[in-house]
Parts: sequence; structure tokens; C-alpha cells
Amino acid sequence: GAGVSQSPSNKVTEKGKDVELRCDPISGHTALYWYRQRLGQGLEFLIYFQGNSAPDKSGLPSDRFSAERTGESVSTLTIQRTQQEDSAVYLCASSSDRGPDTQYFGPGTRLTVL
Amino acid sequence: AQSVTQPDIHITVSEGASLELRCNYSYGATPYLFWYVQSPGQGLQLLLKYFSGDTLVQGIKGFEAEFKRSQSSFNLRKPSVHWSDAAEYFCAVGRGSTLGRLYFGRGTQLTVWP
Repeated sequence: GAGVSQSPSNKVTEKGKDVELRCDPISGHTALYWYRQRLGQGLEFLIYFQGNSAPDKSGLPSDRFSAERTGESVSTLTIQRTQQEDSAVYLCASSSDRGPDTQYFGPGTRLTVL
Repeated sequence: AQSVTQPDIHITVSEGASLELRCNYSYGATPYLFWYVQSPGQGLQLLLKYFSGDTLVQGIKGFEAEFKRSQSSFNLRKPSVHWSDAAEYFCAVGRGSTLGRLYFGRGTQLTVWP
């Protein structure tokens, strides 16, 4: 079966522009996560969706970051007015159950803000 | 606060040598523990996980890890390293109360000499 997919794989944008990153989770997975990986760093949690529950947004670094999820399907992470410090790889993961079940990761979107 | 420490940023071993990557965590209760591997340009792949039961867990690619509660550690081991094991390795910790988000260490970069 298909894994987690993300698009685009690479995105170069100018400072101040808005960007949208897309994640398609594994079919049937109810939980979806976004993480950010800066160069030489571990993964930093951003946001978590679980079914119809209110998302856990506690990791979003500023109000320029937002995310939506359509049912138990596609998710979009939006970064408004991008800054150079937003440059990173944005990773999406999905899992089949509530709680710390195995998270399956997509290949990531590499965002470069010039 | 939850934290995960991987004290070795970079490790170099010769092919065929044994390997141990260290991971320590801070959390009051029994955590859920994971090791992921990330090859260049790839997403994260799960090597192994510990939820409960036998504290020595076997994973893919000949890796194993041992949970030691008294030392708050979950070190990854492999008896004989192959050149294809060169990658970055991440330890991660999850707690049921945080609805599935994982806390990651900063990673250990493994270089394998032929």
C-alpha cells in the first residue's frame, strides 16, 4: 500500500510570501502529525490531528503557522509571511491509533526561504 | 519537561565493527520508546520500538535496543555494522497523555569506514 506522501518535495520562496505544504496520510490512519526539522537538529513537533477532536496546536511556533485537515484525509500546513528562520524540512507522519502508536513518516518538504 | 538526549552527535565505525548509539530520556513514568533511521534525502524509517514487556527489543536490519529503567536509557546496538547503515539515527519518546506526539533527540550521524 502507499505510504505517506508530501508535496511539493522542494519549495523555494521569497521572504514574506505565503506557502502551503500538503500531506496525504496512509489510508485509514486517523492521526496525522506535522514536525519541523532544521538543519542539524532533531524533529520539532508542530501540530497533531486525531479524528474529529480539536487539534493539538501546542507546537506551532507563531501565529504565522496554521494547519487544516479534511476529515481523516489530506492536511495542509500554511506558513504566512515566511521568514528565513522558517527554512527547514517539514515532515508529516500518520498513525492508526490514538496515543504513541507507530508513526509513519513521509519524505518531507524542504522549504528554503530566500 | 520531557527531553531526549543523544550525547553523540557523530560516530564513526569501521565496517564489521560493533555499534552502540546512546539515548537517555527524562520522564517520570514508563515511556514509549522508538528508534528511527533517516538516510540522505529520505523520510524517517522505524527501526524498532518499546511499549512494554521484554526490555530487549529486536528491530529491522539486525538492530536491537535495550530499555533500562534505572538508567532512563534506550541504547541502540548492532553487532556488526554494514556500510549501508551509514545514516542519521533518532531516538524518540512518546507518552500516552500527550495524544501521540513524539519528542525527538537531536540525532546521531553514523559514518561507516570500509
